[in-house]
Amino acid sequence: GQNIDQPTEMTATEGAIVQINCTYQTSGFNGLFWYQQHAGEAPTFLSYNVLDGLEEKGRFSSFLSRSKGYSYLLLKELQMKDSASYLCAVMDSNYQLIWGAGTKLIIKP
Amino acid sequence: EAGVAQSPRYKIIEKRQSVAFWCNPISGHATLYWYQQILGQGPKLLIQFQNNGVVDDSQLPKDRFSAERLKGVDSTLKIQPAKLEDSAVYLCASSLGRGGFDEQFFGPGTRLTVL
Repeated sequence: GQNIDQPTEMTATEGAIVQINCTYQTSGFNGLFWYQQHAGEAPTFLSYNVLDGLEEKGRFSSFLSRSKGYSYLLLKELQMKDSASYLCAVMDSNYQLIWGAGTKLIIKP
Repeated sequence: EAGVAQSPRYKIIEKRQSVAFWCNPISGHATLYWYQQILGQGPKLLIQFQNNGVVDDSQLPKDRFSAERLKGVDSTLKIQPAKLEDSAVYLCASSLGRGGFDEQFFGPGTRLTVL
């Protein structure tokens, strides 16, 4: 079966750095997406990785290791507005997006 | 550029009643998705359209759920009859539909409560 695993909840301090991990087992791989979802709102796109390595976009970076079936989202200089759920999703060989359950990130002052 | 539009935003019904949701995707987006998201979980794909054809409806409970996308633009999702476990947010998303990096843009969702 296809499976995406990510921690249910994480807590971090404003101004700090947090890493949210995602491991996956899917039938084929055509890219990994990270989405941000604030409570009561729709998911919004953060990043896309299809090759191994680190993609940096401002305060957010995403890393992929295809051989390990592993990705992480790194958030730097945390702000209170970063409190949200972070969803990892993998596009399989049929170009279908398989979603994880999301990691709820709580930022404390 | 206008985003994905959905209506209604909220709906409360009693079990065994019927309900319909509407979605208008971003202009030019060939692919349209309906997701069900239960509180605390990730989105679950119900159905995916490419233009007006169905690509994947393997997780759609076809005994009670139906969806259509006439003319390859707007789409409606219907539940008939509703059950308590259908309480969730129903998200519509659209994408260009070109495979690979195909960012999905989500609408605001419809929050359904079944009493």
